[in-house]
Amino acid sequence: GAGVSQSPSNKVTEKGKDVELRCDPISGHTALYWYRQSLGQGLEFLIYFQGNSAPDKSGLPSDRFSAERTGGSVSTLTIQRTQQEDSAVYLCASSAGPLTEAFFGQGTRLTVV
Amino acid sequence: AQSVTQPDIHITVSEGASLELRCNYSYGATPYLFWYVQSPGQGLQLLLKYFSGDTLVQGIKGFEAEFKRSQSSFNLRKPSVHWSDAAEYFCAVGANTGNQFYFGTGTSLTVIP
Repeated sequence: GAGVSQSPSNKVTEKGKDVELRCDPISGHTALYWYRQSLGQGLEFLIYFQGNSAPDKSGLPSDRFSAERTGGSVSTLTIQRTQQEDSAVYLCASSAGPLTEAFFGQGTRLTVV
Repeated sequence: AQSVTQPDIHITVSEGASLELRCNYSYGATPYLFWYVQSPGQGLQLLLKYFSGDTLVQGIKGFEAEFKRSQSSFNLRKPSVHWSDAAEYFCAVGANTGNQFYFGTGTSLTVIP
Protein backbone atom coordinates (compact mmCIF):
# COMPACT_ATOMS: atom_id res chain seq x y z
CA GLY A 1 0.00 0.00 0.00
CA ALA A 2 0.90 3.65 -0.14
CA GLY A 3 1.47 4.03 3.57
CA VAL A 4 1.71 2.18 6.85
CA SER A 5 -1.61 0.60 7.69
CA GLN A 6 -2.68 -0.34 11.19
CA SER A 7 -5.72 -2.27 12.29
CA PRO A 8 -7.96 -1.98 14.08
CA SER A 9 -8.05 1.79 14.42
CA ASN A 10 -9.85 1.46 17.74
CA LYS A 11 -10.08 -1.43 20.15
CA VAL A 12 -11.99 -1.64 23.39
CA THR A 13 -11.30 -4.71 25.46
CA GLU A 14 -12.04 -5.99 28.90
CA LYS A 15 -9.32 -6.20 31.48
CA GLY A 16 -7.65 -9.59 31.35
CA LYS A 17 -8.37 -10.27 27.70
CA ASP A 18 -5.68 -10.69 25.05
CA VAL A 19 -5.47 -8.32 22.08
CA GLU A 20 -3.64 -8.36 18.77
CA LEU A 21 -2.69 -5.22 16.91
CA ARG A 22 -1.66 -5.43 13.28
CA CYS A 23 0.75 -3.36 11.23
CA ASP A 24 1.23 -3.50 7.48
CA PRO A 25 4.41 -1.58 6.67
CA ILE A 26 5.26 0.07 3.40
CA SER A 27 6.27 -2.54 0.87
CA GLY A 28 10.03 -3.04 0.77
CA HIS A 29 10.73 -1.36 4.08
CA THR A 30 13.11 -3.49 6.09
CA ALA A 31 12.80 -1.68 9.41
CA LEU A 32 9.65 -1.72 11.52
CA TYR A 33 9.05 -0.03 14.87
CA TRP A 34 6.32 -0.17 17.48
CA TYR A 35 5.77 2.74 19.83
CA ARG A 36 3.23 3.45 22.53
CA GLN A 37 1.80 6.91 23.09
CA SER A 38 -0.02 7.57 26.32
CA LEU A 39 -2.04 10.70 26.97
CA GLY A 40 0.28 13.64 27.54
CA GLN A 41 3.36 11.51 27.05
CA GLY A 42 5.93 11.19 24.34
CA LEU A 43 6.41 8.10 22.28
CA GLU A 44 7.64 5.11 24.21
CA PHE A 45 9.74 2.69 22.18
CA LEU A 46 8.53 -0.90 22.35
CA ILE A 47 10.26 -3.04 19.74
CA TYR A 48 12.27 -2.78 16.52
CA PHE A 49 12.64 -5.23 13.63
CA GLN A 50 15.35 -4.90 11.01
CA GLY A 51 15.39 -7.40 8.19
CA ASN A 52 16.17 -10.90 9.37
CA SER A 53 18.07 -9.75 12.44
CA ALA A 54 16.89 -10.58 15.92
CA PRO A 55 14.45 -7.88 17.03
CA ASP A 56 15.34 -5.33 19.66
CA LYS A 57 12.78 -6.03 22.37
CA SER A 58 14.36 -3.78 24.96
CA GLY A 59 11.35 -1.48 25.18
CA LEU A 60 8.67 -4.06 25.89
CA PRO A 61 7.29 -3.12 29.34
CA SER A 62 6.49 -6.62 30.53
CA ASP A 63 6.36 -10.24 29.41
CA ARG A 64 2.69 -9.73 28.60
CA PHE A 65 3.83 -7.89 25.49
CA SER A 66 5.20 -9.67 22.45
CA ALA A 67 5.54 -8.97 18.75
CA GLU A 68 6.19 -10.90 15.60
CA ARG A 69 7.04 -9.95 12.08
CA THR A 70 6.21 -12.61 9.55
CA GLY A 71 8.06 -12.84 6.27
CA GLY A 72 9.73 -9.53 6.89
CA SER A 73 6.47 -7.72 6.30
CA VAL A 74 3.35 -7.70 8.47
CA SER A 75 3.84 -7.35 12.20
CA THR A 76 1.53 -8.23 15.06
CA LEU A 77 1.82 -6.79 18.55
CA THR A 78 0.15 -9.00 21.14
CA ILE A 79 -0.78 -7.93 24.64
CA GLN A 80 -1.85 -10.72 26.94
CA ARG A 81 -4.02 -10.29 30.02
CA THR A 82 -4.55 -6.61 29.32
CA GLN A 83 -4.49 -4.12 32.17
CA GLN A 84 -5.97 -0.65 32.36
CA GLU A 85 -2.50 0.90 32.20
CA ASP A 86 -2.11 -0.65 28.75
CA SER A 87 -4.66 1.86 27.43
CA ALA A 88 -2.82 4.01 24.90
CA VAL A 89 -2.33 4.63 21.21
CA TYR A 90 -0.02 2.07 19.66
CA LEU A 91 1.89 3.42 16.70
CA CYS A 92 3.71 1.43 14.08
CA ALA A 93 6.33 2.87 11.75
CA SER A 94 8.47 1.52 8.96
CA SER A 95 11.54 2.76 7.19
CA ALA A 96 13.72 1.72 4.29
CA GLY A 97 16.62 1.10 6.66
CA PRO A 98 18.11 2.13 9.97
CA LEU A 99 17.68 5.82 10.67
CA THR A 100 16.13 6.67 7.36
CA GLU A 101 12.82 8.48 7.49
CA ALA A 102 10.25 6.56 9.47
CA PHE A 103 6.70 6.58 8.17
CA PHE A 104 4.03 6.20 10.81
CA GLY A 105 0.63 4.60 10.67
CA GLN A 106 -2.37 6.31 12.20
CA GLY A 107 -2.21 4.11 15.23
CA THR A 108 -4.51 1.81 17.14
CA ARG A 109 -6.25 3.35 20.12
CA LEU A 110 -6.55 0.67 22.77
CA THR A 111 -8.92 1.14 25.66
CA VAL A 112 -8.97 -1.42 28.45
CA VAL A 113 -12.11 -1.27 30.57
CA ALA B 1 21.85 7.62 27.60
CA GLN B 2 20.08 9.30 24.76
CA SER B 3 17.21 11.62 25.59
CA VAL B 4 15.22 14.46 24.13
CA THR B 5 13.74 17.38 26.04
CA GLN B 6 11.02 19.63 24.76
CA PRO B 7 10.68 22.19 27.54
CA ASP B 8 7.46 23.76 26.29
CA ILE B 9 4.42 21.56 26.83
CA HIS B 10 2.05 23.99 25.19
CA ILE B 11 2.49 27.13 23.09
CA THR B 12 -0.11 29.56 21.81
CA VAL B 13 0.66 31.94 18.97
CA SER B 14 -1.37 34.27 16.83
CA GLU B 15 -1.82 33.46 13.18
CA GLY B 16 0.89 35.20 11.18
CA ALA B 17 3.28 35.37 14.09
CA SER B 18 6.65 33.64 14.12
CA LEU B 19 7.17 30.37 15.93
CA GLU B 20 10.07 28.65 17.62
CA LEU B 21 9.75 25.27 19.30
CA ARG B 22 12.65 24.20 21.46
CA CYS B 23 14.37 20.85 21.48
CA ASN B 24 17.41 19.77 23.42
CA TYR B 25 19.00 16.37 23.14
CA SER B 26 21.50 14.29 24.97
CA TYR B 27 23.58 11.99 22.83
CA GLY B 28 27.21 10.99 22.90
CA ALA B 29 27.92 11.02 19.19
CA THR B 30 26.76 12.99 16.18
CA PRO B 31 23.01 12.80 16.37
CA TYR B 32 20.47 12.15 13.72
CA LEU B 33 17.69 14.65 14.47
CA PHE B 34 14.08 14.81 13.36
CA TRP B 35 10.97 16.88 13.81
CA TYR B 36 7.58 15.23 13.38
CA VAL B 37 4.10 16.74 13.47
CA GLN B 38 0.96 14.95 14.62
CA SER B 39 -2.45 16.34 13.81
CA PRO B 40 -5.40 15.17 15.93
CA GLY B 41 -6.23 11.55 15.26
CA GLN B 42 -3.39 11.20 12.80
CA GLY B 43 -0.05 9.48 12.72
CA LEU B 44 3.22 11.34 12.75
CA GLN B 45 4.48 13.12 9.67
CA LEU B 46 8.12 14.01 9.16
CA LEU B 47 8.73 17.75 8.88
CA LEU B 48 12.49 17.69 8.47
CA LYS B 49 15.64 15.85 9.45
CA TYR B 50 19.31 16.51 10.07
CA PHE B 51 22.00 13.93 9.46
CA SER B 52 25.07 16.01 8.56
CA GLY B 53 26.19 19.03 6.56
CA ASP B 54 24.44 22.37 6.63
CA THR B 55 23.18 22.96 10.13
CA LEU B 56 20.11 24.86 8.91
CA VAL B 57 17.68 22.44 7.36
CA GLN B 58 14.52 23.21 5.47
CA GLY B 59 11.45 21.09 5.74
CA ILE B 60 7.92 20.89 4.49
CA LYS B 61 5.18 23.40 5.18
CA GLY B 62 7.66 26.27 5.51
CA PHE B 63 9.40 24.91 8.60
CA GLU B 64 13.13 25.01 9.25
CA ALA B 65 15.37 23.89 12.07
CA GLU B 66 18.89 24.70 13.13
CA PHE B 67 21.30 22.23 14.65
CA LYS B 68 23.54 23.81 17.27
CA ARG B 69 26.05 21.32 18.58
CA SER B 70 27.37 23.66 21.26
CA GLN B 71 23.90 24.00 22.74
CA SER B 72 22.75 20.44 22.00
CA SER B 73 19.70 21.98 20.41
CA PHE B 74 17.60 21.50 17.31
CA ASN B 75 14.92 24.17 17.46
CA LEU B 76 12.10 24.30 14.96
CA ARG B 77 11.08 27.62 13.45
CA LYS B 78 8.50 29.07 11.13
CA PRO B 79 8.37 32.75 10.20
CA SER B 80 4.60 32.99 9.86
CA VAL B 81 2.24 30.49 11.42
CA HIS B 82 -0.97 29.38 9.75
CA TRP B 83 -4.07 28.13 11.56
CA SER B 84 -3.50 24.73 9.99
CA ASP B 85 -0.21 24.43 11.86
CA ALA B 86 -2.07 23.74 15.10
CA ALA B 87 -0.90 20.26 16.09
CA GLU B 88 1.48 18.35 18.33
CA TYR B 89 5.15 18.58 17.46
CA PHE B 90 7.71 15.98 18.39
CA CYS B 91 11.47 16.21 18.30
CA ALA B 92 13.40 12.95 18.00
CA VAL B 93 16.99 11.79 18.00
CA GLY B 94 18.13 8.63 16.30
CA ALA B 95 20.64 6.26 17.82
CA ASN B 96 23.47 5.34 15.50
CA THR B 97 22.70 1.71 16.15
CA GLY B 98 19.55 2.34 14.18
CA ASN B 99 17.43 0.55 16.70
CA GLN B 100 15.11 3.31 17.67
CA PHE B 101 14.25 6.94 17.70
CA TYR B 102 14.06 8.72 21.05
CA PHE B 103 11.16 11.13 21.16
CA GLY B 104 10.49 14.14 23.30
CA THR B 105 7.18 14.50 25.11
CA GLY B 106 5.91 16.88 22.47
CA THR B 107 4.80 20.51 22.26
CA SER B 108 1.17 21.26 21.61
CA LEU B 109 0.68 24.30 19.38
CA THR B 110 -2.48 26.37 19.41
CA VAL B 111 -2.95 29.05 16.78
CA ILE B 112 -5.39 31.84 17.51
CA PRO B 113 -6.89 34.02 14.78
